[in-house]
Amino acid sequence: AQKVTQAQTEISVVEKEDVTLDCVYETRDTTYYLFWYKQPPSGELVFLIRRNSFDEQNEISGRYSWNFQKSTSSFNFTITASQVVDSAVYFCALSGFLIQGAQKLVFGQGTRLTINP
Amino acid sequence: DTAVSQTPKYLVTQMGNDKSIKCEQNLGHDTMYWYKQDSKKFLKIMFSYNNKELIINETVPNRFSPKSPDKAHLNLHINSLELGDSAVYFCASRPRLSGGASEQYFGPGTRLTVT
Repeated sequence: AQKVTQAQTEISVVEKEDVTLDCVYETRDTTYYLFWYKQPPSGELVFLIRRNSFDEQNEISGRYSWNFQKSTSSFNFTITASQVVDSAVYFCALSGFLIQGAQKLVFGQGTRLTINP
Repeated sequence: DTAVSQTPKYLVTQMGNDKSIKCEQNLGHDTMYWYKQDSKKFLKIMFSYNNKELIINETVPNRFSPKSPDKAHLNLHINSLELGDSAVYFCASRPRLSGGASEQYFGPGTRLTVT
């Protein structure tokens, strides 16, 4: 069975601090995909990044960076110089072998990030 | 233009009623999904359809019946609503031919409150 664990339920930091959101996953599939989604207070789900199991390159996008380590089954997300607008619930998700073309996304419990001014 | 839209955005109803939530995507995607987000923000897949065919059904009570009239629409009908059905329901879509390498595009969500 697939499982995603986000052990940090809530994180609160002061603006401009760096913050890392942890994500640990479990799967028996050799090919799988990992995702991060952001859910701001307005409620929509915003896609941030996708990573496949064969690509362990870290990625940086502006103030956001992601560290994928297969050896520890982790896909952590770091926000550098956090801003109040980064306040949201962040979800890590995993998709393994497709089922007749359908992608079954398994989500972590989410981490509520609050950036205080 | 909205990529994945849901109506209504808010739905308040009484126990025992039957209600429907509609979802439409204009992205040309083949696969559509319904997710439920509970009060603790936990997101769980309910159903997935591929070109009008049901592919994934995640042990959802049979009071929930998805219907896909065409590949651009996936509606969710709920019979005999219960208090525990109160949640935010998200519709999503993705292109099938991309294999696993594409994200799902989510609608804005429908907040269902059963009183």
